[in-house]
Amino acid sequence: NAGVMQNPRHLVRRRGQEARLRCSPMKGHSHVYWYRQLPEEGLKFMVYLQKENIIDESGMPKERFSAEFPKEGPSILRIQQVVRGDSAAYFCASSPRSGGYTDTQYFGPGTRLTVL
Amino acid sequence: QKEVEQNSGPLSVPEGAIASLNCTYSDRGSQSFFWYRQYSGKSPELIMFIYSNGDKEDGRFTAQLNKASQYVSLLIRDSQPSDSATYLCAVKADTGGFKTIFGAGTRLFVKA
Repeated sequence: NAGVMQNPRHLVRRRGQEARLRCSPMKGHSHVYWYRQLPEEGLKFMVYLQKENIIDESGMPKERFSAEFPKEGPSILRIQQVVRGDSAAYFCASSPRSGGYTDTQYFGPGTRLTVL
Repeated sequence: QKEVEQNSGPLSVPEGAIASLNCTYSDRGSQSFFWYRQYSGKSPELIMFIYSNGDKEDGRFTAQLNKASQYVSLLIRDSQPSDSATYLCAVKADTGGFKTIFGAGTRLFVKA
């Protein structure tokens, strides 16, 4: 029973390059959340997606960041023209049902992005 | 004022003692409350969730919720060195949005 999978686990990019982070939810889960965690800080909500739909992107920076969850394949968080401030751990979480208040999220191992 | 506040710690307790972790939140519309444990360099792991006022027990863990005071806590009985981690409080409102707000976490250190 595979959990939430994320790849790559570590990603190094130079300033100005693009970063693509992938997340495969747990089997049977069709809802995905992305969070960012800076060192010594809590998790910051970025975006919530269902298959083929962005439901809530209120935590996503307006520029350079985008997310998708296609009908087939993993969810992808894309960061264009990365800057040093994008260096962080990016976690994906999945849940089995709609984002109501009883929703429980299960986290993947994260992708550590380092921007040189 | 932060939306979810936790004492950053570190909270240090001897092995076998009760560790008490506290969390306050600002949104009165918050409906559900979660405690996650995060070891250094690892992902958050769900420990407990609570929706109703009062206590909820699961093994050595007890979550306590007081919506009137906007306060939620986690008690860990018979603390073990393996409980040493950062504990994240998370709060979710049922107001049509889907955002879960996390506190910055409390670092717990259990001394053997």
